[in-house]
Amino acid sequence: GAVVSQHPSRVICKSGTSVKIECRSLDFQATTMFWYRQFPKKSLMLMATSNEGSKATYEQGVEKDKFLINHASLTLSTLTVTSAHPEDSSFYICSARAGEYNEQFFGPGTRLTVL
Amino acid sequence: AQKITQTQPGMFVQEKEAVTLDCTYDTSDQSYGLFWYKQPSSGEMIFLIYQGSYDEQNATEGRYSLNFQKARKSANLVISASQLGDSAMYFCAMREGRSYNTDKLIFGTGTRLQVFP
Repeated sequence: GAVVSQHPSRVICKSGTSVKIECRSLDFQATTMFWYRQFPKKSLMLMATSNEGSKATYEQGVEKDKFLINHASLTLSTLTVTSAHPEDSSFYICSARAGEYNEQFFGPGTRLTVL
Repeated sequence: AQKITQTQPGMFVQEKEAVTLDCTYDTSDQSYGLFWYKQPSSGEMIFLIYQGSYDEQNATEGRYSLNFQKARKSANLVISASQLGDSAMYFCAMREGRSYNTDKLIFGTGTRLQVFP
């Protein structure tokens, strides 16, 4: 199947700092990528749809100024959590569509801890 | 209204036995797709199986099969011959609409499956 990577896999930062998470499609091009957030023992919640060369589409309730998304190339989307606070601590996962069923292939996730 | 419902927070199954994980969905679209994903403790989401709303046959993929009952709006995952490595969270998800360019996945709350020897 298609491979999606994420970096970093784990990050710990101080409150008030910004954190950038990268999502790359390694062996295919992705015009659309998706960013999800998952709290412990909870389901995945879609935060935004990242579109190459245009603005991201955010889900209701997600602050676009807080979670900046940049999809600058067909293989890279970045999520920047600006002025992070402890409540932003979560597991962030990206995905991209590929494959026979246009299924979403997920990255391994990034665990963010804000102190 | 919740669109994907997984009523089993946890399931236990003995190794080599079969297990069914339930999923019901709600949509007014005629065209939609249903997915099952596995999430082991490492956190990665692994695609297992897909069922299109117009597919007449139930999807199968190795030890995984999908019991699709359209009238009942259910898409249960059946895992045959369970293995210890099947222990994980399992999520049912739905994609609505025809346009792959505007689709997004809606996930259920998941079922934690534990396989014991």
